[in-house]
Amino acid sequence: DAGVTQSPTHLIKTRGQHVTLRCSPISGHKSVSWYQQVLGQGPQFIFQYYEKEERGRGNFPDRFSARQFPNYSSELNVNALLLGDSALYLCASSPRGLLTQYFGPGTRLLVL
Amino acid sequence: GQQLNQSPQSMFIQEGEDVSMNCTSSSIFNTWLWYKQDPGEGPVLLIALYKAGELTSNGRLTAQFGITRKDSFLNISASIPSDVGIYFCAGLNYGGSQGNLIFGKGTKLSVKP
Repeated sequence: DAGVTQSPTHLIKTRGQHVTLRCSPISGHKSVSWYQQVLGQGPQFIFQYYEKEERGRGNFPDRFSARQFPNYSSELNVNALLLGDSALYLCASSPRGLLTQYFGPGTRLLVL
Repeated sequence: GQQLNQSPQSMFIQEGEDVSMNCTSSSIFNTWLWYKQDPGEGPVLLIALYKAGELTSNGRLTAQFGITRKDSFLNISASIPSDVGIYFCAGLNYGGSQGNLIFGKGTKLSVKP
């Protein structure tokens, strides 16, 4: 069975640009969450989507947005990139909530 | 953002040794989770704790949910080389299908040279 997949695996952008990260959940999972993991830190919760609706939001600026599609895949968008946005962005899926989540391998974003 | 305090930050293990790590918070959580992350991969859930005082085992791993609901402990018995990695605790408060998951900064396990 396929796990959570994320694309791209690596990305280099410059300050001020915009980026879109994509996530495909495990088949049958309706909840997708996004996390930012800065080097040397634990993941920080950004968003949770369930049944295409936002169900939770962490302490991130409005430059960060996300959406979930009818097939339960999800996109994370970040506008006006800052150097501090450089991080590993993790997507996790679960049948419903945040309890039994399966994480993808992440997208490593470098902002120059 | 809010993070949990994990200790130690790093430790070296020799095969066969027992390992202990803990996690504390200023906030109460109604669920504690322990994850392991290997290089280049996302975290993998090891143990979930649902009740204050609960002790749960998963093979050589044992975790406890503190009575105050503000801390948790993870023990690894008879460590093996594949135990190397970063261990994260996470606190969860949830209702229905939503919630907020707060991670610690991690405890890095390495092999003694």
